[in-house]
Amino acid sequence: AQKVTQTQTSISVMEKTTVTMDCVYETQDSSYFLFWYKQTASGEIVFLIRQDSYKKENATVGHYSLNFQKPKSSIGLIITATQIEDSAVYFCAMREGEVGDNSKLIWGLGTSLVVNP
Amino acid sequence: GPKVLQIPSHQIIDMGQMVTLNCDPVSNHLYFYWYKQILGQQMEFLVNFYNGKVMEKSKLFKDQFSVERPDGSYFTLKIQPTALEDSAVYFCASSLGAGQAPLFGEGTRLSVL
Repeated sequence: AQKVTQTQTSISVMEKTTVTMDCVYETQDSSYFLFWYKQTASGEIVFLIRQDSYKKENATVGHYSLNFQKPKSSIGLIITATQIEDSAVYFCAMREGEVGDNSKLIWGLGTSLVVNP
Repeated sequence: GPKVLQIPSHQIIDMGQMVTLNCDPVSNHLYFYWYKQILGQQMEFLVNFYNGKVMEKSKLFKDQFSVERPDGSYFTLKIQPTALEDSAVYFCASSLGAGQAPLFGEGTRLSVL
């Protein structure tokens, strides 16, 4: 069964600190792709970063990085030097199959992040 | 950067009426998606569309739902007739390739009264 689980409902941090958001997934496929999106207060959904299952290196984009632990089926999102504008709901999502496949994203329930001044 | 545009941002209709949600995907994208989100909760996949046809649809994509993209114009989601449980925010997304992260529009909030 395909499933994405985000156990943290909400997190509150102080500005300029580092935060980690957890995500675990279930899949029967040997090939899959993991994504993190954020949804802002206005409802906009923004793609942040991805990890392909066959890549061993953790992805990094700007102040976002991933902690990919394949044996644990875990893909944590790390945000360093958080800013007020990072306050949003963060969604973890998974797509199964090979690169050429056109399959849906399976989403977690999201983690609400509040960054305080 | 490139954007997916959704029109209208909010639609209010009476139960039983027909509604068409419009999506203007990124111009060179080839894959199109509709997702449904109820009250800021989990995103639920509805359907994906490529090369003029539906590739996959979920059980949420009821018989009353249909999608099309006539002549490369808007990618539309039509619901006919609407039901109360169709009230949600509908997000359109598109991607150039199947392996790429889809870009999302800002959503259309549908209120069925």
